[in-house]
Amino acid sequence: ETGVTQTPRHLVMGMTNKKSLKCEQHLGHNAMYWYKQSAKKPLELMFVYSLEERVENNSVPSRFSPECPNSSHLFLHLHTLQPEDSALYLCASSQGPGTNYEQYFGPGTRLTVT
Amino acid sequence: EDQVTQSPEALRLQEGESSSLNCSYTVSGLRGLFWYRQDPGKGPEFLFTLYSAGEEKEKERLKATLTKKESFLHITAPKPEDSATYLCAVQPPGGTYKYIFGTGTRLKVLA
Repeated sequence: ETGVTQTPRHLVMGMTNKKSLKCEQHLGHNAMYWYKQSAKKPLELMFVYSLEERVENNSVPSRFSPECPNSSHLFLHLHTLQPEDSALYLCASSQGPGTNYEQYFGPGTRLTVT
Repeated sequence: EDQVTQSPEALRLQEGESSSLNCSYTVSGLRGLFWYRQDPGKGPEFLFTLYSAGEEKEKERLKATLTKKESFLHITAPKPEDSATYLCAVQPPGGTYKYIFGTGTRLKVLA
């Protein structure tokens, strides 16, 4: 158990749906991340929050909207997605603030856009 | 452009057959290099952090080493339960939260 949980584990949604992914970390960390993992591609950093403030936003389409209400919870709101958005979405946390810390990942949400 | 390249892409070993995985990077002024293990259907699991050339870290059958241009993950006498994808990530200078990942090496250890 890594101390980072994600729900749901699997999600199938149509292109016109709205859904949210949830991440919770029980490690007392101050930084939280969203990554996209597609087959044969490196992990793509999407968003980073440090102490509940967004510090990185890697040119992610606006159909992905993050929310960090507190240092333990992170959400990714999804709307009008495209089939190419189908992937494994991983949440991670690190000790932070500051860098040089290893990340701890959740099990991911397998998203399929139909 | 900062890049991380892992090789080989896939590796099949017999149980007990030692080998090494490679992670090469083009980042100047590396702030940290991280190794992770990822099992199918799961998130990456942290293994090691290396900060400076010459540094080594060990955990059971795994040993990670670092030079100025690359890192190796040595697997000694592997067992089938070592089968997984091994990911390497580097953190470039600049004071950001950016981590650059490689595409990983898929390791299969046969009994």
